Amino acid sequence: AQSVAQPEDQVNVAEGNPLTVKCTYSVSGNPYLFWYVQYPNRGLQFLLKYITGDNLVKGSYGFEAEFNKSQTSFHLKKPSALVSDSALYFCAVRAVRQYGNKLVFGAGTILRVKS
Amino acid sequence: KAGVTQTPRYLIKTRGQQVTLSCSPISGHRSVSWYQQTPGQGLQFLFEYFSETQRNKGNFPGRFSGRQFSNSRSEMNVSTLELGDSALYLCASSLEAGASYNEQFFGPGTRLTVL
Repeated sequence: AQSVAQPEDQVNVAEGNPLTVKCTYSVSGNPYLFWYVQYPNRGLQFLLKYITGDNLVKGSYGFEAEFNKSQTSFHLKKPSALVSDSALYFCAVRAVRQYGNKLVFGAGTILRVKS
Repeated sequence: KAGVTQTPRYLIKTRGQQVTLSCSPISGHRSVSWYQQTPGQGLQFLFEYFSETQRNKGNFPGRFSGRQFSNSRSEMNVSTLELGDSALYLCASSLEAGASYNEQFFGPGTRLTVL
């Protein structure tokens, strides 16, 4: 079974509208969850992470993510999308018991924000 | 603080050759991980080094190897290149290997093309 799933290859949203990029995970124990963004011809930039505590995590550039243990989800959200948010977004999980310390990435979701 | 740097940024090789890629982590970071990114396979973990020791290894053939120096700089080597090795190779650094909650910071990558 895929340890990290991003069910949407692409998400389209109009500028100013809220956006959601979905991520579900399937690991045992307590996972550490991360979101990264990649712009064309660039490396990955860290957005936010969930370690423990408050289920709503706030990150860079106005992004936030909600950890839902019962649904094993960690969806990325932003209240008002910008055209400059258009990029490739990756969800990643670190589950030490299963995978050691490595990051396991989802397949990625292309976000397109149209003006 | 300077980010993760990778050299070279672009590389073109022919089948059968070997290649060495270099990564300098963020100052103070002692853990370096390498990932391969391709359109078909996405982001796949290659290996992780900490204090000059390989701590974790992904499912890649022995043609892929790496090392870390005492100043935390890391190199990865691919011998007997195959067409399928064409990819973006990303290096990431973090403070230490044992703290799973630490995010990794990525370099811009080296784009390897094998002809």
